[in-house]
Amino acid sequence: GIQVEQSPPDLILQEGANSTLRCNFSDSVNNLQWFHQNPWGQLINLFYIPSGTKQNGRLSATTVATERYSLLYISSSQTTDSGVYFCAVGTNYQLIWGAGTKLIIKP
Amino acid sequence: NAGVTQTPKFQVLKTGQSMTLQCAQDMNHEYMSWYRQDPGMGLRLIHYSVGAGITDQGEVPNGYNVSRSTTEDFPLRLLSAAPSQTSVYFCASSYIGPGSSYEQYFGPGTRLTVT
Repeated sequence: GIQVEQSPPDLILQEGANSTLRCNFSDSVNNLQWFHQNPWGQLINLFYIPSGTKQNGRLSATTVATERYSLLYISSSQTTDSGVYFCAVGTNYQLIWGAGTKLIIKP
Repeated sequence: NAGVTQTPKFQVLKTGQSMTLQCAQDMNHEYMSWYRQDPGMGLRLIHYSVGAGITDQGEVPNGYNVSRSTTEDFPLRLLSAAPSQTSVYFCASSYIGPGSSYEQYFGPGTRLTVT
């Protein structure tokens, strides 16, 4: 089956810093999504991005499908950005999830 | 819209007991799914459904049953609880069809402990 690897596993930053999270996957997919799980456990969909680039405020994502990786950029980090960021990939609606990147933003 | 709702929020079971986790959505989404999340891991798909009367297995279906009699509801049944089923369970839904972005909407989760 498809393998998903996320890096780094943990990231600690000061407020205002920028960060790049990476997701590598082992096979062709037509579905790739980034999610944020806040410290209370709630899962929020950030991007559906099987290819190309999207931006939403301070967050942006780029997927290079031919090279099987995706990047999530967070600029000017805020403490509310803390949590775990997951990449999930698959075909159609069945998603395989990475182990996540745990991000801690210190004030 | 309430979105995706799950009940209960917390549950403690003894080994061998059975129970049903409830999931409902009011967005008229065809696709619904159940995931489990174990500590330090991503979510793993248990079962999913692409419409009323249609269900299929995901990665980790053993020990769980589902049914989908209506578009709105997708209950997950634990037949005989085991400590290995201690986890947080998430239900999700998504729109299927032209223009779908495959975006999945998640419920708040049910934290289940089996002793």
